[in-house]
Amino acid sequence: QVQLQESGPGLVKPSETLSLTCAVSGDSITNYYWSWIRQSPGKGLEWIGYIYYLGNTKYNPSLEGRVTMSVDLPKNQFSLKLSSVAAADTAVYFCAREGGPLAVWGQGILVTVSS
Amino acid sequence: DIQLTQSPSSLSASVGDRVTITCRASQDINNYLKWFQQKPGKAPNLLIYSATTLKSGVASRFSGGGFGTDFTLTINSLQPEDFAIYFCQQSYSPPYSFGQGTTLDIK
Repeated sequence: QVQLQESGPGLVKPSETLSLTCAVSGDSITNYYWSWIRQSPGKGLEWIGYIYYLGNTKYNPSLEGRVTMSVDLPKNQFSLKLSSVAAADTAVYFCAREGGPLAVWGQGILVTVSS
Repeated sequence: DIQLTQSPSSLSASVGDRVTITCRASQDINNYLKWFQQKPGKAPNLLIYSATTLKSGVASRFSGGGFGTDFTLTINSLQPEDFAIYFCQQSYSPPYSFGQGTTLDIK
């Protein structure tokens, strides 16, 4: 059974870069598209983007220019970088596997942007 | 971008009740709609995909309906474990947007 686990700093300073990693177990990262989603009280759920293991990406235009996703095949994980963060980027960040009936999300990680 | 309008935002019901949540898309999304259940501090769980198909292992009291722009999630005979937050997501066209969520609590 596939499991996804987010990791990274829980506190990021304004203007810095948020960096998160999603470790995938129970499935190969070469099999599907992999997404990042965030959830905040003010904005609800927001899809950040997805990546395929070959490097194909699609980002939400609302965040384009600040988002970078990458894949680490040997470690079977993928990552998110969000630059120039502000308080509005405070949220619970989820990683997820796309794929219709096989959609699975991680538990999520709270990232707070504060000095 | 495709907007999803979900209603109601909150709903109070009793064990044994039947409830329906609606999700309306701002344009035709065919049947590219999923429904998720989320409990506090937990990962969202997929209930329904392709608008009407129940994910394997999900209780049969959950059902999805609709096509195009109007969709529903119905829960028959509510059980205590069903009190949670429900949200819809479209995967027809990126960015894959979400409904605002419906909080289902015990009356």
